[in-house]
Amino acid sequence: GAGVSQTPSNKVTEKGKYVELRCDPISGHTALYWYRQSLGQGPEFLIYFQGTGAADDSGLPNDRFFAVRPEGSVSTLKIQRTERGDSAVYLCASSQSSYNEQFFGPGTRLTVL
Amino acid sequence: GQQVMQIPQYQHVQEGEDFTTYCNSSTTLSNIQWYKQRPGGHPVFLIQLVKSGEVKKQKRLTFQFGEAKKNSSLHITATQTTDVGTYFCAVGSSNTGKLIFGQGTTLQVKP
Repeated sequence: GAGVSQTPSNKVTEKGKYVELRCDPISGHTALYWYRQSLGQGPEFLIYFQGTGAADDSGLPNDRFFAVRPEGSVSTLKIQRTERGDSAVYLCASSQSSYNEQFFGPGTRLTVL
Repeated sequence: GQQVMQIPQYQHVQEGEDFTTYCNSSTTLSNIQWYKQRPGGHPVFLIQLVKSGEVKKQKRLTFQFGEAKKNSSLHITATQTTDVGTYFCAVGSSNTGKLIFGQGTTLQVKP
């Protein structure tokens, strides 16, 4: 079946703008994760959903970042008042349950000018 | 929070040579996962280790979890150009399953 998909693949925006990044997990996967990866670094955890609820949002850097998963499938990461430091690849991953291997999507490369 | 140190940061080898990357923590780990990321790609799961002293093999790759569950290693025998990429260890949270990644080891293989 299809893997994890993310749209858009690239997003260029201006400082101060609002952006939404979308993740379509593998069908049937209840756990969904968002990570952020800067150049030369490992992925950095942002938020974890189990079903529709955010079970762990301890990685969100500040209140400009918010994520939803209203129907327990597709998730949207929302960033308000973007800053240049938000530029990174945003990765989404899903798994069958919390402790299984995670399947990563191709990522969205966000560039804030 | 939990952190893992991964060494070396870079490794250049001649094709056919062996390669090892190490992952170390100051605290006992519940489990550890290994991922490979090709240049321009996304992380791909390789293995999960859970038990103290566990050793798992996948063809030319050997994964070990230390007896004290504070360190892990990935060893590749007779590297090939297809092994090029960045190898990450990642510690799984015992509560939520979120992963804390190491800094990664980038492997270059000269043909």
